[in-house]
Amino acid sequence: AQRVTQPEKLLSVFKGAPVELKCNYSYSGSPELFWYVQYSRQRLQLLLRHISRESIKGFTADLNKGETSFHLKKPFAQEEDSAMYYCALSALTGNQFYFGTGTSLTVIP
Amino acid sequence: DAGVTQSPTHLIKTRGQHVTLRCSPISGHKSVSWYQQVLGQGPQFIFQYYEKEERGRGNFPDRFSARQFPNYSSELNVNALLLGDSALYLCASSLQGRDPGELFFGEGSRLTVL
Repeated sequence: AQRVTQPEKLLSVFKGAPVELKCNYSYSGSPELFWYVQYSRQRLQLLLRHISRESIKGFTADLNKGETSFHLKKPFAQEEDSAMYYCALSALTGNQFYFGTGTSLTVIP
Repeated sequence: DAGVTQSPTHLIKTRGQHVTLRCSPISGHKSVSWYQQVLGQGPQFIFQYYEKEERGRGNFPDRFSARQFPNYSSELNVNALLLGDSALYLCASSLQGRDPGELFFGEGSRLTVL
C-alpha cells in the first residue's frame, strides 16, 4: 500500500541555518513525488516536484529510490519559510495524491 | 482568475443529516479532486473526476459520493453524517486527468458534525 511518512510534526530552526524536512514513502510502483506548502492564511500550493528538478525559493529535494526518501532541503532558512509542509506522492499514471501528515516549520529570527 | 472556489466555507450539521459541498475549478481545468483533511493529518484522497467521469476513488464508504457537471464544477455529497466526518474538505483542480499534474487547491469547506 502507498504511504508517505513525515516523522517530524514540528521543526524549528534559526534564520540562516540549514533546514531539512524528512519524507519517506512506500509504493509498489514508480511514483512521482511532490512537496506542497501552506503558508499562514493561504491555501495549499505546490512547492516543487521531483520530475522538474527545479530549485524553488531555494528549496531542493532529491528522490532517493534506494532509501525511498524525498527530503526537502534549504541551505539557509528565511523567516518567510515558516509554514506547513506536506510531502505527497502520485502514481505516474493517475492524479490521485497521497499526502503525509505534514511538518510545521518555524524559522526563528 | 479567482482560483478554485468552494462553498460553503463553514457549516454545522447534526449526525444523520446530509451535506452537499460545491467546487468550481480554475477556468480551463477539467479535473477536480476531493480531499478530506482531519485536524492534524494530511489531506486524504476521496474522489477524482475528469471530463465528468470518475477516475479514482479513495478508501471512503458509500455514504460519500460526487459528481462533475458539464461546466466542470463538482459536488461532494455525504449522507448519514457521523461525528468522524468532521473535517476540512478540500477541492483541487488540475489540467491533467490521467497524469499527475499540479493540484490547485481551494480554501476548503469546514464541516462540523454535532
